[in-house]
Formats: sequence, structure tokens, C-alpha cells
Amino acid sequence: QQQVKQSPQSLIVQKGGISIINCAYENTAFDYFPWYQQFPGKGPALLIAIRPDVSEKKEGRFTISFNKSAKQFSLHIMDSQPGDSATYFCAASNRNTGFQKLVFGTGTRLLVSP
Amino acid sequence: GAGVSQSPRYKVTKRGQDVALRCDPISGHVSLYWYRQALGQGPEFLTYFNYEAQQDKSGLPNDRFSAERPEGSISTLTIQRTEQRDSAMYRCASSLDWGEVQHFGDGTRLSIL
Repeated sequence: QQQVKQSPQSLIVQKGGISIINCAYENTAFDYFPWYQQFPGKGPALLIAIRPDVSEKKEGRFTISFNKSAKQFSLHIMDSQPGDSATYFCAASNRNTGFQKLVFGTGTRLLVSP
Repeated sequence: GAGVSQSPRYKVTKRGQDVALRCDPISGHVSLYWYRQALGQGPEFLTYFNYEAQQDKSGLPNDRFSAERPEGSISTLTIQRTEQRDSAMYRCASSLDWGEVQHFGDGTRLSIL
């Protein structure tokens, strides 16, 4: 049972372009939606996260857009750089369970061409 | 400071052997999580500790898998009578408290021959 669906599986963007990765969730109890960035050989690292009480959160070149009614959220990377080339995972959790049991998407491999 | 440390980085063993994977969390982190990550997939939750107490083990696939954190710091994930389907990257994460950001280690790549 895949509770968080992520697309696309892979993405190629030119330097300076906008990278967009989408996720959809099923469990309406989810109330925390982080994005993780993973470089080869390394563990995932938190990039940015959002709660459902806001529709957008921006940190530098990274923006999360959240649509509660559609149960969808997306990551936008503005002015994409070759250093952004990595695998990106969306995730979701229900913090009311008493701990953060993160449910991850399947990942998007982003390649930013020079 | 040091991040989450996992050892060994790679483990190759024959089917039927027992393996123990170690996780050394960030100093002072109360919560510790184990995940399994198949190739091309996101991490999948296995179990969670708050201090030394195992609060949730609902993600452990079967009774061959067990985990402990006896002193509330280092944790060991043990797989008994390994099978080929156990081959995966096993990741540990820790957080300052239950609701805080999870910091992941670089994982242990387990290969069962």
C-alpha cells in the first residue's frame, strides 16, 4: 500500500530552469510534509518541510506548494543548478501518533545539465 | 559535530547467517529510527526508539528482525537466518526528540548471497 505517490521518477532540467516534483497522499491524518535530498552514497537530508495550515513555504530557491483539498504537494526548485542534481524524496507523517513515522515517496532523480 | 554513524558500511553474508547492524546516533538525540531502503525506493519505516524503549516495531517484516537500544544511545538491528530478500540498504536516523527533524546516517548496504 503506497500512501505517498511521487512523480516523475526522473527529471532532466537545464541549468537555470525550474524543477518541479509532485507528490500525492492518501491519508488525511498526515500533518507534516518534508522533502529530503539524497546524494549518491549519502543518507537523505531534510531540505524543506511544510504543515497543512499554509499553502506555500519558501526557503531560498526551494518552494513547497501544498493543496490540502487535492491532497497534493510539490517541490519547486528555482534557478536549478548542477549541484542540485540528486534524488529527492517527499514524505509525510502524522505527528499525532506520538512520533514521526515518515512515509516516503519513491523518489525523483533530478539531473541539472550545465 | 558528528552525524549518525552506521557500521559496517557494507556487509556481505551467506543466506542463513545472522547479521547485526549498528547505529550510533547524534549525541544527545533521544529518538532513533530504523528504515530499510530498497534500490530505487524511498526509505521504509522499520522501528522506533524513544530513549531505550522500543515504542513501535510495526514495520519489522517478521520475527527474524529485532532491534535494541539498551542504554538509550547505540542501537543494533539484528536479522536472524538471513534470506536473499533481506538484501537492502538499512538506514538509521536520530532526532533530538520525537517531533524533531530526523538526521539520517549513510546506511549499511546488506547483501545476502
